Amino acid sequence: DAMVIQNPRYQVTQFGKPVTLSCSQTLNHNVMYWYQQKSSQAPKLLFHYYDKDFNNEADTPDNFQSRRPNTSFCFLDIRSPGLGDAAMYLCATSRDPIREISYEQYFGPGTRLTVT
Amino acid sequence: GESVGLHLPTLSVQEGDNSIINCAYSNSASDYFIWYKQESGKGPQFIIDIRSNMDKRQGQRVTVLLNKTVKHLSLQIAATQPGDSAVYFCAENAGNNRKLIWGLGTSLAVNP
Repeated sequence: DAMVIQNPRYQVTQFGKPVTLSCSQTLNHNVMYWYQQKSSQAPKLLFHYYDKDFNNEADTPDNFQSRRPNTSFCFLDIRSPGLGDAAMYLCATSRDPIREISYEQYFGPGTRLTVT
Repeated sequence: GESVGLHLPTLSVQEGDNSIINCAYSNSASDYFIWYKQESGKGPQFIIDIRSNMDKRQGQRVTVLLNKTVKHLSLQIAATQPGDSAVYFCAENAGNNRKLIWGLGTSLAVNP
């Protein structure tokens, strides 16, 4: 029944050790988003894919990369995690909002990343 | 506008009362608005949306009001229940892109 799945739910990594977070969807949506959310703050968009077209936010650090090998899966790679990268990482999907005239995004449960 | 700061505004209500959560936006070009509910440890969940050609939209126990003149959006929750306790975010879209701009969020606490 789950529509947007994120694995793992909790991830602990060491300072500087690369880590990959994964997201999959069963909705067949064109658009997939990665957000970073810190405590008591709104989600902050890192980047999004429209099909295979990658769209990076101007203020997303180079340390964050993403891959979308197919419609269903999207990965967030943090090349050298710092203490400041500890956060909840949220994956979301949507139909193409420009065509569908709805910007509703469907969120996964998030992965909470701890950096030690 | 962008979310800044570390302290969420908090609204505390009694169970059964109506709640009103407010949101101000800055971009007069925004033409789509959406409310999300986020419970602790979970991803945001869609509540209701509204386009700028409307000033009111109703859902189940929720109503969104849009005042474009003063760039203000509100979410009204009728007969608030303990399960409504969460952080509520408004978000907007202001152009030919696929992104939402998120507001700061308001924490709603429902007292039994």
